Amino acid sequence: AQSVAQPEDQVNVAEGNPLTVKCTYSVSGNPYLFWYVQYPNRGLQFLLKYITGDNLVKGSYGFEAEFNKSQTSFHLKKPSALVSDSALYFCAVYTDKLIFGTGTRLQVFP
Amino acid sequence: EAGVAQSPRYKIIEKRQSVAFWCNPISGHATLYWYQQILGQGPKLLIQFQNNGVVDDSQLPKDRFSAERLKGVDSTLKIQPAKLEDSAVYLCASSLGLARTDTQYFGPGTRLTVL
Repeated sequence: AQSVAQPEDQVNVAEGNPLTVKCTYSVSGNPYLFWYVQYPNRGLQFLLKYITGDNLVKGSYGFEAEFNKSQTSFHLKKPSALVSDSALYFCAVYTDKLIFGTGTRLQVFP
Repeated sequence: EAGVAQSPRYKIIEKRQSVAFWCNPISGHATLYWYQQILGQGPKLLIQFQNNGVVDDSQLPKDRFSAERLKGVDSTLKIQPAKLEDSAVYLCASSLGLARTDTQYFGPGTRLTVL
């Protein structure tokens, strides 16, 4: 079955430090991978996507993600975290529909 | 460019009552989606429209949920009668087309509480 997993319910990081939010996937064929962010009482905002090509994808707000086919991972990264990055992050994979992970809450402490 | 609009933002009803949600997608987007997001979970697709036709409604509980997109633009999602387990955020999204590479853009959602 096609699926995506986010192994961490919460990630805590100090402001200014690098952050990583993990995502692994299981699909047959080529994966189409997405990251979205959700702020309280708001819908999901698109951050970035991997379709093909360069394994390092750059997105909105300074975020980037690294596609690793051998490890079936698509981890979200940012070199220097901001307090305003604190939110709920969702990884998703598109098969015949968009399938979301359970989300990872990122908490950035000042 | 205006985003996806949804209303109402919040709704509280009692079980067995009916409720309807409205969505206006991004202008020019042919594909419209309704998702259900239960607290602590990722969004789950309920129904997908391409213009005014249904593409996928395999996860829509058809005994109580219905949706329409009559003119290929706005859409409504209805629940009748509501159950306690329908308490969730209902998200509408739209995309240009049906391609796997098309990004889905989400509205702010409607938070439904069923008492």
